[in-house]
Amino acid sequence: KAGVTQTPRYLIKTRGQQVTLSCSPISGHRSVSWYQQTPGQGLQFLFEYFSETQRNKGNFPGRFSGRQFSNSRSEMNVSTLELGDSALYLCASSPRQGAFNEQFFGPGTRLTVL
Amino acid sequence: GIQVEQSPPDLILQEGANSTLRCNFSDSVNNLQWFHQNPWGQLINLFYIPSGTKQNGRLSATTVATERYSLLYISSSQTTDSGVYFCAMYSGGGADGLTFGKGTHLIIQP
Repeated sequence: KAGVTQTPRYLIKTRGQQVTLSCSPISGHRSVSWYQQTPGQGLQFLFEYFSETQRNKGNFPGRFSGRQFSNSRSEMNVSTLELGDSALYLCASSPRQGAFNEQFFGPGTRLTVL
Repeated sequence: GIQVEQSPPDLILQEGANSTLRCNFSDSVNNLQWFHQNPWGQLINLFYIPSGTKQNGRLSATTVATERYSLLYISSSQTTDSGVYFCAMYSGGGADGLTFGKGTHLIIQP
C-alpha cells in the first residue's frame, strides 16, 4: 500500500498571500488530520476531516481552513499568511474518525513565509 | 487540556549505548503513543502503549498509567536511531487531536 502523500513538499510564500496544501491518505483510510510543527510551539493539532466534514478542530485562527473530498483526499488552506505560519505541516490518515492511535503520517510540506 | 512533558530534551550518545526517555502526563488518559521523527521530518509510530510493556526489536516501552508516566528504552543504539522522539496522547473522543510533548532530541554518534 502506498503511504500518505503530501504535495508540495516545499513552498515559499510572502506575507499576505494564501496557500493550499494537499494530502492523499492511505487507500481505504477515511480520516485525515492536519498538524503544524514549529520550533517554538512544537507539534499542534489543526483539524480532522472525516466523510468530507470537519470533525475536530484545534486552537487555530479562522485563517486556517480545510476540506475533504469524496475520495478522502484533503486540502488545507491558510489565508493572509503571516511570518509565524512558517512551519512543517503534517497530515495523517487513519481508517476511522478519531482513531488517532492508528494514524500514519505523511512526509510533510515545509512552508516558508517571507 | 492534557499536559505532556518529556525528558531529557537533548541526549547525545555513542553508538552501542542504551538510553531511557521519559514522558510524564497530566491526566489519567489511556491513549499514549511514542513516535520517532527522522532528520527529514517523517514521523513514524513506534508504540501505542496505554499501559504495560511492549517490545519491538531494540526498542521497548513501558507505561504506568496510574503514576502518569511512560518510558521508552533504546538498546544498542545505532546512528539511524538519531532524531526526535515524541510521546503523544489524546483524550476520550479525540476532540483535541493528538497532544504532543516537546520531544527528546537524540543524537547517536558513530
